[in-house]
Amino acid sequence: DIVMTQSPDSLAVSLGERATINCKSSQSVLFSSNNKNYLAWYQQKPGQPPKLLIYWASTRESGVPDRFSGSGSGTDFTLTIGNLQAEDVAVYYCQQYFGTPYTFGQGTKLEIK
Amino acid sequence: QVQLVQSGAEVKEPGASVKVSCKTSGYTFTTFVIHWVRQAPGQRLEWMGWINTGNANTELSQKFQGRVTFTRDTSASTAHMELSGLRSEDTAVYFCAREPGYDSTGYRIEAFDFWGQGTVVTVSS
Repeated sequence: DIVMTQSPDSLAVSLGERATINCKSSQSVLFSSNNKNYLAWYQQKPGQPPKLLIYWASTRESGVPDRFSGSGSGTDFTLTIGNLQAEDVAVYYCQQYFGTPYTFGQGTKLEIK
Repeated sequence: QVQLVQSGAEVKEPGASVKVSCKTSGYTFTTFVIHWVRQAPGQRLEWMGWINTGNANTELSQKFQGRVTFTRDTSASTAHMELSGLRSEDTAVYFCAREPGYDSTGYRIEAFDFWGQGTVVTVSS
């Protein structure tokens, strides 16, 4: 199974500042034939299901603010949240869909400083 | 609007089975794959498998082989997940989630764009 490891486990960022969350996969999730990274990011608030933010490592889901951006390739990925808002407080997960079983990172809890 | 509405919370004894339903609306049910994901207390999200709602083909995580069954009722636009041989470690919130399908270049996006609200399953004697 592909193991997804996020860092940090938690972080506190001031309103209006930038938050950066990292995700590392135990093997590459870049499919060479189409040059796509099979990596998604989700936001989960307490008592709610996850919400898809990013897929293909950097494609923003419809309706997601452009403050959210994804980058990276191969085994190392980053979710960046610019101009942090109070409503961004949540746990963020990365997920690989390169191969089954699809696997998730352990989550990163984002709080306001 | 797309909605996935799951059945209510369940409390089961060890060794029993549980069946969770996921009723969809707002789109053509048979066009999109449904996945099942669970989240045990304090644990990361765990993918269980998927069902092709069009032809009923399934793929299961090896971890759940022999214990989980996915079915669908196209007339009711509903997917079902049945987990047998319950043990305390199966206590979790179970989610159904829709796969978006294919992107503009024809590649399947095996992420999850719409989710049910979750069903709490508690296994306890």
